[in-house]
Amino acid sequence: AQSVTQPDIHITVSEGASLELRCNYSYGATPYLFWYVQSPGQGLQLLLKYFSGDTLVQGIKGFEAEFKRSQSSFNLRKPSVHWSDAAEYFCAVASSGYSTLTFGKGTMLLVSP
Amino acid sequence: KAGVTQTPRYLIKTRGQQVTLSCSPISGHRSVSWYQQTPGQGLQFLFEYFSETQRNKGNFPGRFSGRQFSNSRSEMNVSTLELGDSALYLCASSPGGGQSEKLFFGSGTQLSVL
Repeated sequence: AQSVTQPDIHITVSEGASLELRCNYSYGATPYLFWYVQSPGQGLQLLLKYFSGDTLVQGIKGFEAEFKRSQSSFNLRKPSVHWSDAAEYFCAVASSGYSTLTFGKGTMLLVSP
Repeated sequence: KAGVTQTPRYLIKTRGQQVTLSCSPISGHRSVSWYQQTPGQGLQFLFEYFSETQRNKGNFPGRFSGRQFSNSRSEMNVSTLELGDSALYLCASSPGGGQSEKLFFGSGTQLSVL
């Protein structure tokens, strides 16, 4: 069965500093991978997705992620964090041929002044 | 284009009662999925409907059920509520429910069971 691990429950980053959120997945076939962001009291918004081609994918709000098959990882990065990036971030893998997602437990990003 | 709409936004019930949550997908979207979000278990898939048929189901007891109408609107029902059913229930829609499709999420229904 597929699974997603986000090893960091909380991360604090200074505004303007770079960010990397870790995600490891377990899936037998070629994975369809996603990063979603959730602000307090809101639903989830897609940041970016990967399912083939270039292993470095660009998303909205200046985020990017790199797919590394050898490490079963799909880490999310941003070169310079803004206070408005404070939110919870979820990595997910799609399975079973449909859009059903298996999510990681999430990483809460705190941005300090 | 209106987003995914979930009603009600908040709900308070007592143990043993039943509850129905509603989700209106984005116009033209035929796939609707439901997820339960709790602090302990995170986001867990409940079920997915496409053209009024349940195509996929997560590992939840039979007290959790759903349906989809011909206009793609969906409802989920939880019978005999338990304290552990307190959660944020999120609905998501997509055009066809394909594996690479982006899901559009509603803001959720926050259910509290007392």
